[in-house]
Amino acid sequence: EDKVVQSPLSLVVHEGDTVTLNCSYEVTNFRSLLWYKQEKKAPTFLFMLTSSGIEKKSGRLSSILDKKELFSILNITATQTGDSAVYLCAVEARRQNYGQNFVFGPGTRLSVLP
Amino acid sequence: ETGVTQTPRHLVMGMTNKKSLKCEQHLGHNAMYWYKQSAKKPLELMFVYSLEERVENNSVPSRFSPECPNSSHLFLHLHTLQPEDSALYLCASSQVFDTGTQYFGPGTRLLVL
Repeated sequence: EDKVVQSPLSLVVHEGDTVTLNCSYEVTNFRSLLWYKQEKKAPTFLFMLTSSGIEKKSGRLSSILDKKELFSILNITATQTGDSAVYLCAVEARRQNYGQNFVFGPGTRLSVLP
Repeated sequence: ETGVTQTPRHLVMGMTNKKSLKCEQHLGHNAMYWYKQSAKKPLELMFVYSLEERVENNSVPSRFSPECPNSSHLFLHLHTLQPEDSALYLCASSQVFDTGTQYFGPGTRLLVL
């Protein structure tokens, strides 16, 4: 059965701290790994990773994938209160009959205190 | 209007009511999904439609009935729900057979009394 595990499940830091969120997975026919940020409603897309060892960056956020060890990390530097959210990791797996399926982890709830 | 839209945004219903959730995508995608998000649980995939055909049903109770009349519209018909069905229902769309992301709608917050 496909599975995505995230750690920690919750994290409280102060503004300016750097955080690392972890995502490990077991899926058949892996295609990509995605990170989302979910505040009050729908998840919003952050990164899609398909190749090992290539870091993706967007401002203070960065992410990297290790396909051999089956995990990814999401780093946030110089955290701000606006970074408080649930960060979801999802793995896209190829399905023969309909193309793809997305399996989500439980999320990491990040709280950034002023 | 762009992206994925959902209506209504909030819904309160009794256990004997019948209601429908609507999702519309304006992205030209050809796969659509219903997810359920309950408190403290991962997103749960309920239904997948690919090229307007239902291709996955993850053991969802029959009181939830999806309908996909075309590639831009997706409905979730609800009848005789239980209080434990209260949750955020998210619709998403993507392009089949292309490696890419799912785009989510804002969700419908459902409360069953």
